[in-house]
Amino acid sequence: NAGVTQTPKFQVLKTGQSMTLQCAQDMNHNSMYWYRQDPGMGLRLIYYSASEGTTDKGEVPNGYNVSRLNKREFSLRLESAAPSQTSVYFCASSTQGFSGNTIYFGEGSWLTVV
Amino acid sequence: DQQVKQNSPSLSVQEGRISILNCDYTNSMFDYFLWYKKYPAEGPTFLISISSIKDKNEDGRFTVFLNKSAKHLSLHIVPSQPGDSAVYFCAASGIQGAQKLVFGQGTRLTINP
Repeated sequence: NAGVTQTPKFQVLKTGQSMTLQCAQDMNHNSMYWYRQDPGMGLRLIYYSASEGTTDKGEVPNGYNVSRLNKREFSLRLESAAPSQTSVYFCASSTQGFSGNTIYFGEGSWLTVV
Repeated sequence: DQQVKQNSPSLSVQEGRISILNCDYTNSMFDYFLWYKKYPAEGPTFLISISSIKDKNEDGRFTVFLNKSAKHLSLHIVPSQPGDSAVYFCAASGIQGAQKLVFGQGTRLTINP
């Protein structure tokens, strides 16, 4: 029962480097999300995809791009990493929309930008 | 502007006693509230929710209370068990969950044996 799978789990980047966080879900969910968690800030929505073929900005989209590759996969790209993007990133999915009790999270990706 | 606030970063409770975690919100349009539990190195998992048409929802040892006039909700865990040690996030949404979830900062609960 994989659920939501994120890769990589840990990554250290130098300022200015680029990288892509991969996310895949096997629950046939329509909606997918990327959150970041910072100390004292809770989880903040970066981007979401309500359905295959659509993406929308969340609360903190600057410095990120996303791609909904197909129904299963939703990737998050940092084009030019900055120290402010040091965070824990969570991918999530849900059957439809933001109905909270159906949102399932991945285990997280720890990203450090030096 | 933090629309959902958990003012206690941490809470320590004796095993078997009641744990009470608090959450305040400022947006009067929120009408659906949730609690998530997070263990280290894992993603958050849904725990319990409540709609604004109710003031209480119970699920086993977990009860969520909603005070709309005070814009306050609380999670009660009775009795507390060591496995309850985790970070708890409250979250809120509008239009019965159809709008984006807004999360609080989290409260780290430690249950002492």
